[in-house]
Amino acid sequence: GAGVSQSPSNKVTEKGKDVELRCDPISGHTALYWYRQSLGQGLEFLIYFQGNSAPDKSGLPSDRFSAERTGGSVSTLTIQRTQQEDSAVYLCASSLKARPLNQPQHFGDGTRLSIL
Amino acid sequence: TQLLEQSPQFLSIQEGENLTVYCNSSSVFSSLQWYRQEPGEGPVLLVTVVTGGEVKKLKRLTFQFGDARKDSSLHITAAQPGDTGLYLCAGARDSNYQLIWGAGTKLIIKP
Repeated sequence: GAGVSQSPSNKVTEKGKDVELRCDPISGHTALYWYRQSLGQGLEFLIYFQGNSAPDKSGLPSDRFSAERTGGSVSTLTIQRTQQEDSAVYLCASSLKARPLNQPQHFGDGTRLSIL
Repeated sequence: TQLLEQSPQFLSIQEGENLTVYCNSSSVFSSLQWYRQEPGEGPVLLVTVVTGGEVKKLKRLTFQFGDARKDSSLHITAAQPGDTGLYLCAGARDSNYQLIWGAGTKLIIKP
C-alpha cells in the first residue's frame, strides 16, 4: 500500500495477556517510530528505529514493552503481561530518514488497545 | 516536564469565526511542525517551519514561527466544520533523536 499500515486496528484482551502490534511502513522509509496516545491527548514517544537498529529506547514505559524491526521494514511492538494502564492507541510512523528531524512523519491509523 | 505547551487545550467555536492556537516553549527548536489528527486516524503533517519569523500559509491557515524559534502559532480564518480535529505541534532539537510533542488542541467548529 501507499501508506503506513498497522494491524490489528482494534485489540481487546484480558489483563495479563501478551499482545503484538504490527507496523508496515512506507516502502523505502528507513526511520520508524512508535508512539502511544491516550484518548484525545498528545503523543508519547516510545521507540524509534533507524534501519533495524533502535538508537533510542528511552520512551519504553517498562521492561514489559519491547520492539523489533526486521529487514528494515516491518516492526512489531510487544507488550507482555498487559495491564489496564496499557490501554491506549498505539501509533506507528515512518519517515524517509531519521535526520534531519524536520522530515515529515507519515502515520498509520493506529491500533486501539483495550485491556479488560 | 512538558517542553512544548499548547493552548488552548480545547476550543469550540461557530463556523466563520477566527481562532489562534499557540505552541510555546522555553527551549529553542531547529524546526517546528504542525499536524492535524481526525478521530480514528493518525496525525497528518500540515506544515514545517524552520526559520525564525517565518510565516507559511495553507489556504485559510497561517503558521508563524517565533523570531527566537521558541514558539509558534496557528491562525485559522473563517473556520469551517472541516477544520475540526486535534492540532498537534512538534519541535525538533538537534540534540534529540525524536520530536518533542505538544499535548494538542482539540478544535470543534460548529455549523
